[in-house]
Amino acid sequence: GENVEQHPSTLSVQEGDSAVIKCTYSDSASNYFPWYKQELGKRPQLIIDIRSNVGEKKDQRIAVTLNKTAKHFSLHITETQPEDSAVYFCAASSAGGSYIPTFGRGTSLIVHP
Amino acid sequence: SAVISQKPSRDICQRGTSLTIQCQVDSQVTMMFWYRQQPGQSLTLIATANQGSEATYESGFVIDKFPISRPNLTFSTLTVSNMSPEDSSIYLCSVEDEPTYEQYFGPGTRLTVT
Repeated sequence: GENVEQHPSTLSVQEGDSAVIKCTYSDSASNYFPWYKQELGKRPQLIIDIRSNVGEKKDQRIAVTLNKTAKHFSLHITETQPEDSAVYFCAASSAGGSYIPTFGRGTSLIVHP
Repeated sequence: SAVISQKPSRDICQRGTSLTIQCQVDSQVTMMFWYRQQPGQSLTLIATANQGSEATYESGFVIDKFPISRPNLTFSTLTVSNMSPEDSSIYLCSVEDEPTYEQYFGPGTRLTVT
């Protein structure tokens, strides 16, 4: 089955800095890569996703890049704000598994004002 | 995206008892999922529930412990049976949006077993 590794487990930045979270996956058949943000005590929220037919996707201050050859994808957050503080999960899935995602272990992002 | 609700939001239960968690969606969905999230951990899939068929359980989860019902396209229940303190966790349902395959989560049920 799919295995998703996520790094770092904790990331501490100053407000205004950029933050990068990296994930690798093992199954070359994976073609859908969502990212979720989970604030303390809340449900995971889908914030951005990328499919294997593109290499990069942006949505305001967040972007995701995908390197299918190397089997890794990354989340980039620019101009971080304290409200970006949360746990971020990457995931990978494929149509063969009806897009049921395999999640990474999560990254706790702390943005200091 | 679908609006998903869960009941109860939290509960404290005694060892050996069972708790049924309900998940309600405001639109018809084919795929519903049940996850467990232990404190500070990632999301672990318990089972996939499709309407009209038996749930499909992931390795390490069995029907006798986590029976699931899916009577229609907007509702599902997960029962945690014969509970022990190790079952203390947050249980989340989620649905898959067709045709984007995006997945959305309910607010979760925080279960504490004493």
